[in-house]
Amino acid sequence: QLVLTQSPSASASLGASVKLTCTLSSGHTTYAIAWHQQQPEKGPRYLMRLSSDGSHTKGDGIPDRFSGSSSGAERYLTISSLQSEDEADYYCQTWGSGIRVFGGGTKLTVL
Amino acid sequence: EVQLVESGGGLVQPGGSLRLSCAASGFTVSSNFMSWVRQAPGKGLEWVSVIYSSGSTFYADSVKGRFTISSDKSKNTLYLQMNSLRAEDTAVYYCAREIGDNYSDAIDIWGQGTMVTVSS
Repeated sequence: QLVLTQSPSASASLGASVKLTCTLSSGHTTYAIAWHQQQPEKGPRYLMRLSSDGSHTKGDGIPDRFSGSSSGAERYLTISSLQSEDEADYYCQTWGSGIRVFGGGTKLTVL
Repeated sequence: EVQLVESGGGLVQPGGSLRLSCAASGFTVSSNFMSWVRQAPGKGLEWVSVIYSSGSTFYADSVKGRFTISSDKSKNTLYLQMNSLRAEDTAVYYCAREIGDNYSDAIDIWGQGTMVTVSS
């Protein structure tokens, strides 16, 4: 079964960096994923598509502070030089034949 | 500009029906894979349905047999017909475009969402 697992919460200080993790279920560890950001009271926004080799394609207007990387079943989103507007929920998403899956989301708090 | 605008949400009684629309601009709906995704109050994102550019459709188990996804090429619009609605269908419904035009891939464009409330 295709499942994505995310930690429910994370926190980091203003100006620091944070690395969020999305874990693919066994048997699906080569899947690509996407990262999406949802700021409070807003709809989701596409951040990037991230492949198993770590290559990623960002959406229009996404700052260089956002980057992605991969290792085995893990897919990472790193946000550097944290700003207050980065406080949001972050969702990973993947896809298969006839199915789309979202992780439970990570709520990022900027201290 | 590539854009998706949903409409059709509202308050409906349990067992009732509602049809959501998603008007696209800047690209052709029928040439892309398109999804509906929902978010219950205070909860995470949940995939609902996808329609391929070939016309094939797929649904989450939670809505299978009750919801129908479709598109109208002449209106460049995506639809979600929702029947036999339940309280647990209460959510903001988003339409979304996938990157691929003939293959499954990441969602890269989101609409602003439309709220559906199922309550007596």
